Amino acid sequence: DTGVSQDPRHKITKRGQNVTFRCDPISEHNRLYWYRQTLGQGPEFLTYFQNEAQLEKSRLLSDRFSAERPKGSFSTLEIQRTEQGDSAMYLCASSLDGRSYEQYFGPGTRLTVT
Amino acid sequence: LAKTTQPISMDSYEGQEVNITCSHNNIATNDYITWYQQFPSQGPRFIIQGYKTKVTNEVASLFIPADRKSSTLSLPRVSLSDTAVYYCLVGEPGFQKLVFGTGTRLLVSP
Repeated sequence: DTGVSQDPRHKITKRGQNVTFRCDPISEHNRLYWYRQTLGQGPEFLTYFQNEAQLEKSRLLSDRFSAERPKGSFSTLEIQRTEQGDSAMYLCASSLDGRSYEQYFGPGTRLTVT
Repeated sequence: LAKTTQPISMDSYEGQEVNITCSHNNIATNDYITWYQQFPSQGPRFIIQGYKTKVTNEVASLFIPADRKSSTLSLPRVSLSDTAVYYCLVGEPGFQKLVFGTGTRLLVSP
């Protein structure tokens, strides 16, 4: 069990550029979650997948954000036309069915939009 | 989801027992209480979950009174490495998403 991994760990981009983050969950976990965390705040839920199906999206997830989980394995989160307000830590987590209260988080991708 | 209230910060010294209390006056019958720990520059980590009375694992104990309107996370004999933010969450065990507040920032000093 290598845990949840995220790539890249850090990303600096200019406003208006597109960015894509990747998350590899724990292999036997069929649930995958994305959260966003800004300084001094707790993580905020963005979206989650059960296998390849995206079952819930937060209102925080504007049209510029899209997430996919092809084949129910890894997931990508893309932000188009980044804005300075998108600067945050993007966290991915995974869990087993029936144990969604026990989510395993990755180290996060820190995005800085200049 | 029930709203939770925790102290913003707490200070302690190595070797002491730390108790962090969380208030959740509007907890529903089916809700469980879950605690997460987050170190700087890392994702949160599940610590413990309980419904009533007392739950203990190798990391912490969770005390829940009969009315369940509050809960206390107890960390025995803390060390410097316990410096972290601790989040109290309340929800049904099958809830799909975790709803974090601002948590309690614990600082353990030598």
